[in-house]
Amino acid sequence: ETGVTQTPRHLVMGMTNKKSLKCEQHLGHNAMYWYKQSAKKPLELMFVYSLEERVENNSVPSRFSPECPNSSHLFLHLHTLQPEDSALYLCASSQEVTRNTEAFFGQGTRLTVV
Amino acid sequence: GNSVTQMEGPVTLSEEAFLTINCTYTATGYPSLFWYVQYPGEGLQLLLKATKADDKGSNKGFEATYRKETTSFHLEKGSVQVSDSAVYFCALQMDSSYKLIFGSGTRLLVRP
Repeated sequence: ETGVTQTPRHLVMGMTNKKSLKCEQHLGHNAMYWYKQSAKKPLELMFVYSLEERVENNSVPSRFSPECPNSSHLFLHLHTLQPEDSALYLCASSQEVTRNTEAFFGQGTRLTVV
Repeated sequence: GNSVTQMEGPVTLSEEAFLTINCTYTATGYPSLFWYVQYPGEGLQLLLKATKADDKGSNKGFEATYRKETTSFHLEKGSVQVSDSAVYFCALQMDSSYKLIFGSGTRLLVRP
């Protein structure tokens, strides 16, 4: 496998459920990101990890909990979500957390909260 | 604050038509500018970029020129194909930051 892989591709969950999104990159990158893509809104950067340490947390509600066990894997743990959290969640990676470094994106997980 | 504004879509064109997708930005300083493309069911891919004023980014027949005087980075292609149907995102990155600030995206639909 190459690139950035996200699983599952689609997820439907109730507001009381707990689920996790998984992201894996095979590019040897040191930085990984979670973005939220909602309809007709700009992509929102949620979390940034560099060498497994969180370097960015953009005022994201605590019902979203990221985990980065190593530089190749990134998780987003979800619990007690709201319907407005329904969106496409994109994972990305880059060589470093620096300017002008290209970000490579996964295909995303389409999340629906019912 | 820094932001990116794109024309609302969808943009619907016939094959071989000329494409322009407008993008303007607001930034304190001199950002790098990017176009990303998202094909159906896929993640975003970098299409082209420009890092300073008057630079022209190009790739796959697409072009965009960094215009400081009009704070714009419009995407153009002379002859679109059905396979160009996708959502196009304009983005900027400030000198001092790794963060990408995206526009809302413009959907392009090319009909045969």
